Amino acid sequence: EADIYQTPRYLVIGTGKKITLECSQTMGHDKMYWYQQDPGMELHLIHYSYGVNSTEKGDLSSESTVSRIRTEHFPLTLESARPSHTSQYLCASSEYAGSRDTQYFGPGTRLTVL
Amino acid sequence: GNSVTQMEGPVTLSEEAFLTINCTYTATGYPSLFWYVQYPGEGLQLLLKATKADDKGSNKGFEATYRKETTSFHLEKGSVQVSDSAVYFCALSDSGSARQLTFGSGTQLTVLP
Repeated sequence: EADIYQTPRYLVIGTGKKITLECSQTMGHDKMYWYQQDPGMELHLIHYSYGVNSTEKGDLSSESTVSRIRTEHFPLTLESARPSHTSQYLCASSEYAGSRDTQYFGPGTRLTVL
Repeated sequence: GNSVTQMEGPVTLSEEAFLTINCTYTATGYPSLFWYVQYPGEGLQLLLKATKADDKGSNKGFEATYRKETTSFHLEKGSVQVSDSAVYFCALSDSGSARQLTFGSGTQLTVLP
């Protein structure tokens, strides 16, 4: 079982603020992901990374940005938060293990922008 | 492209009832298949997985069999408990280059005492 951590768990901020959602994993996994989960429960991939200095955009267009300077760390940043960014954000990681690639998820950050 | 079609919810059962949540998939390669569970206020937890045809994944009394001929991976449990109340997601990981997960839309299960 992978250990993957997200902070903060809950965040309420005002419009226009810059925020960073933290995600860290201790399993040495190469691949990391950010998902946005809407109130209808559907999960949308917004960013992923194959490894250090690699970042890619996912299926859902997002105004957020990510960085991958260290293997264990994959923070997500919103330069200017808006109410439309209110959502649950889930981070995940996986080993680069061929067709048995299993993703392990963190507990999530619930973001509310007022 | 890849897709996962999951049984519409919500599903409400009495304790000790039999559970089936249907999941079918479309994939271009030879996917691995997964069931994840999300308890209220939490992230997703891997419940079980199967990596090739006819494999059966099982965990905590839940089972699912990878059926290539029907492209299905239905989740079953013989006797549900109140603590099984959660959202269940079926997902696939294709053997294509990106190896990302494709999720179903999730099924909310409520078990009543």
